[in-house]
Amino acid sequence: KAGVTQTPRYLIKTRGQQVTLSCSPISGHRSVSWYQQTPGQGLQFLFEYFSETQRNKGNFPGRFSGRQFSNSRSEMNVSTLELGDSALYLCASSLVKASGAETQYFGPGTRLLVL
Amino acid sequence: LAKTTQPISMDSYEGQEVNITCSHNNIATNDYITWYQQFPSQGPRFIIQGYKTKVTNEVASLFIPADRKSSTLSLPRVSLSDTAVYYCLVGPSGGSYIPTFGRGTSLIVHP
Repeated sequence: KAGVTQTPRYLIKTRGQQVTLSCSPISGHRSVSWYQQTPGQGLQFLFEYFSETQRNKGNFPGRFSGRQFSNSRSEMNVSTLELGDSALYLCASSLVKASGAETQYFGPGTRLLVL
Repeated sequence: LAKTTQPISMDSYEGQEVNITCSHNNIATNDYITWYQQFPSQGPRFIIQGYKTKVTNEVASLFIPADRKSSTLSLPRVSLSDTAVYYCLVGPSGGSYIPTFGRGTSLIVHP
């Protein structure tokens, strides 16, 4: 099976712009989560989508939003970019096993630089 | 929400066994324990997952004592390519759950 794919891999934007990142989960996975990773704050949870509905949300401002499509692909959007939004944005898709355990599989990430 | 505590960093040498312990004192009954490995500028990679006792796969073992308040990831005979950050994640499957990865343990393997 193909892994989680994210596009674009690298992105440079300026303050005030907006950006949309895309994630394609592993086939059959219905849950997609987004994370922001920075050297200062580490790996932080943004939100999770399951069957096109946001199921969980981390502690980020409303400038960060997302959506999931019927084919489980997901996008996240950041509006009015700030310098502090420079980070590696990671997408993970997950599958709940028969045992009930859930495992996340991460994509390679999108490196966003805000100037 | 089960908070996890891991050592910030560890050093080892090629060929040695490395054990990284994670404390999770308030783990809930329906929580699983999952370990991930991350290389710079890459997404975390699943290593192993368990609920209780011992789990072993082709790359690592996971030891979980009866009280489940801690877990130990064991990497046998490490190589230079095992230099990475290792995260312990504790949480249930599905539902309302905010994954908290913490800072992880930076493992450096020396020649």
